[in-house]
Amino acid sequence: QVHLQQWGAGLLKPSETLSLTCGVSGGSFVGYYWSWIRQSPGKGLEWIAEINQSGSTNYSPTFRSRVVVSIDTSKSQYSLWLNSVTAADTGVYYCARGGSGGHSWFDPWGQGTPVTVSA
Amino acid sequence: QSVLTQPPSVSGAPGQRVTISCTGTSSNIGARFDVHWYQQLPGAAPKLLIYGINNRPSGVPDRFSVSKSGTSASLSITGLQTEDEADYYCQSYDRSLSGHVFGTGTKVTVL
Repeated sequence: QVHLQQWGAGLLKPSETLSLTCGVSGGSFVGYYWSWIRQSPGKGLEWIAEINQSGSTNYSPTFRSRVVVSIDTSKSQYSLWLNSVTAADTGVYYCARGGSGGHSWFDPWGQGTPVTVSA
Repeated sequence: QSVLTQPPSVSGAPGQRVTISCTGTSSNIGARFDVHWYQQLPGAAPKLLIYGINNRPSGVPDRFSVSKSGTSASLSITGLQTEDEADYYCQSYDRSLSGHVFGTGTKVTVL
């Protein structure tokens, strides 16, 4: 059974870079896309980006200019960097396993990392 | 911002049936992309509830069912139980955005 455990800094100042990592256990990276999703009070759930085991990425237009995702299959983990954060980036960030293409769903999800951006 | 529209809240008495709508456009649900549903209990991460047309992960009771027509989809809960009190989200894919999109979320309250 695949399990996702995520970690990263939860308190940032405006203009800093958010950095989160998601560790994957109990399953393979192959054949899936690995996503980051944000939940904020004002905007609900927002898909941010995804990456597969080959390093192929897809980004939401909302975040494309500020986000980078990477994967390290040797460590069974993938990471998110979101730069130039503002208060609007405050929320809970989740990692989740998805599929390829337009019919895919997200399962399972990580436990979530609350992130607060405040001066 | 969420691309798929859901009612903010629905409520029902134990044993009743409630239905949650998920309205999209011709770029997502209307483009025949699958719609998936998640349940989020207070303080927890969203959990996959139904994927595609009535495909349930292990452990999800068949009291939960979905339908889809045109640019909309819906989730029905029959025989409402107190443990069904949660937030529910729909999710699909948008070809104009080239990305996954979520609904605005619906809070289900058991009276």
